[in-house]
Amino acid sequence: RKEVEQDPGPFNVPEGATVAFNCTYSNSASQSFFWYRQDCRKEPKLLMSVYSSGNEDGRFTAQLNRASQYISLLIRDSKLSDSATYLCVVTHQAGTALIFGKGTTLSVSS
Amino acid sequence: GAVVSQHPSRVICKSGTSVKIECRSLDFQATTMFWYRQFPKQSLMLMATSNEGSKATYEQGVEKDKFLINHASLTLSTLTVTSAHPEDSSFYICSARGGNGYTFGSGTRLTVV
Repeated sequence: RKEVEQDPGPFNVPEGATVAFNCTYSNSASQSFFWYRQDCRKEPKLLMSVYSSGNEDGRFTAQLNRASQYISLLIRDSKLSDSATYLCVVTHQAGTALIFGKGTTLSVSS
Repeated sequence: GAVVSQHPSRVICKSGTSVKIECRSLDFQATTMFWYRQFPKQSLMLMATSNEGSKATYEQGVEKDKFLINHASLTLSTLTVTSAHPEDSSFYICSARGGNGYTFGSGTRLTVV
């Protein structure tokens, strides 16, 4: 079993749609949690960190449930530019390697 | 912001030759460098972790004699793929730990023919 599991996708949605991605992690000792975005053949870019209290950044909302070892990302009012692969990422300790999920591909169409 | 310059961005080499990939932190000191490999439609898989001035720690299943990592300074880390074979064709990317968080290089697409 992979340490970080994500929805297989792909998600194909129209502009303006709301889409939710889910992720689970297997190591209960994981300390930090992130969502990254990766465009085709590019390096991943940090979208947002994820906190137990939940956090929002514009159209993006992330949630963490430590008890269930579950992370989510909600994107509201999808834009064409949101089309990318979204990577769920954890670390075991501060400063240690990022551990990536396989990613979920989102395609937003007009 | 922090920048990691990775070169080359793309390389095609013949089977059996070696390829060196460089990652330089331009405006901060990278105390730790992580090296990843990504096959098509797969996740970024950690290959090794290197700290400046010490030997790299390799993940299970990664051959340390094939993937040579050098981190001789706080601003430069290199990955050398020795005796490359077609199955080594992949996207290789570094991530520096230093300054504020994690900073990725732009990646190197290696094709071995």
